Amino acid sequence: GNSVTQMEGPVTLSEEAFLTINCTYTATGYPSLFWYVQYPGEGLQLLLKATKADDKGSNKGFEATYRKETTSFHLEKGSVQVSDSAVYFCALSGGGGSEKLVFGKGTKLTVNP
Amino acid sequence: GAGVSQTPSNKVTEKGKYVELRCDPISGHTALYWYRQSLGQGPEFLIYFQGTGAADDSGLPNDRFFAVRPEGSVSTLKIQRTERGDSAVYLCASSSQGGRGLAGGSLETQYFGPGTRLLVL
Repeated sequence: GNSVTQMEGPVTLSEEAFLTINCTYTATGYPSLFWYVQYPGEGLQLLLKATKADDKGSNKGFEATYRKETTSFHLEKGSVQVSDSAVYFCALSGGGGSEKLVFGKGTKLTVNP
Repeated sequence: GAGVSQTPSNKVTEKGKYVELRCDPISGHTALYWYRQSLGQGPEFLIYFQGTGAADDSGLPNDRFFAVRPEGSVSTLKIQRTERGDSAVYLCASSSQGGRGLAGGSLETQYFGPGTRLLVL
């Protein structure tokens, strides 16, 4: 079945550091790929998405490119801020015709001033 | 506008009891999803409704779990004979339609509610 594997956390960075959170997937067909974020005390929010190969999703300085050849969707940000501290989830949907989201286990990011 | 709401926000019950969790989706959203998130894990799919019907219930763990959406709006997740292992955060999400892109990928964003934290003692 479909699955998502993302980098184990926790990740601790200093402000303005470069961030990469790795995500790879296994899916039937052509899924859509997502990054969701969960800030402390808040619900899951969509951060960015890409619906086909080579698409780049971007939002709030974060980027991720849908790489079909490596089945990856790595999240990057050039300069993190304290306010980026949260748990980040990589997810896919639609592979094989299913509407449900399949999530990775999440990566907790802490950014220190 | 109003987002997805879930009630109660917290529920404590005893092993063997019956519980109902409610989800109010965003107005006009035809697709509704239930997920369960255990501590330190990502959300896991339970069931997906398109309108009033369950289009995919493959994630329900066993027959103690049941969900309904009788009028195509509000949904209730029902858990019978609760067990300690049912303790988790139950998340509801809605989207404007369960559509698919040309290549089969889902196009519509799922918007999540704040969740109901269930604790079974």
